Amino acid sequence: GEDVEQSLFLSVREGDSSVINCTYTDSSSTYLYWYKQEPGAGLQLLTYIFSNMDMKQDQRLTVLLNKKDKHLSLRIADTQTGDSAIYFCAESLTGTASKLTFGTGTRLQVTL
Amino acid sequence: NAGVTQTPKFQVLKTGQSMTLQCAQDMNHNSMYWYRQDPGMGLRLIYYSASEGTTDKGEVPNGYNVSRLNKREFSLRLESAAPSQTSVYFCASSGGQGRPGADTQYFGPGTRLTVL
Repeated sequence: GEDVEQSLFLSVREGDSSVINCTYTDSSSTYLYWYKQEPGAGLQLLTYIFSNMDMKQDQRLTVLLNKKDKHLSLRIADTQTGDSAIYFCAESLTGTASKLTFGTGTRLQVTL
Repeated sequence: NAGVTQTPKFQVLKTGQSMTLQCAQDMNHNSMYWYRQDPGMGLRLIYYSASEGTTDKGEVPNGYNVSRLNKREFSLRLESAAPSQTSVYFCASSGGQGRPGADTQYFGPGTRLTVL
């Protein structure tokens, strides 16, 4: 079955790196995504990674995928107060087109 | 270019009342979705429409109906609202081109529904 899990809360100081973790159970995942939700807003896609990749970097964001352990992480370098939000990982499965299964979300708090 | 719009932004209902949440997208997307978001549970898919004229159940369809009115609009109806349906409802759309990795879902701003 499909199950995506995340820790609920992470607090980091401005300028430090943040690492948000996610585990998933379905080995047939094809793509894995990271979305950001700011207060009172909808979800915004940050980045995604194909399941046959190990790493993807996009400016301050680095996604690492350990397919053997079904573990996905999002690293945000030089975290800023504007990065404070809820971060969701999501997976899509082979044959389900755009259907996504979301994790519970990690609330990132950036302190000065 | 408004993207995905949802109305209303806020709604309070009494148990047993009915209402329809409206969603429209102006990106010529094929696929549209309705999710609900509850604290500590992430987003759960209620219904989706892979293309105009089709709708399918998601993870939590009970108590809801949907209509894909045309390519732009996808509405969600609560026939007899219950307190358990208190939630934030998000509509999303995607191109539906069969390329999941690039088939980004774009989300509306959400409707905050309270059922008393």
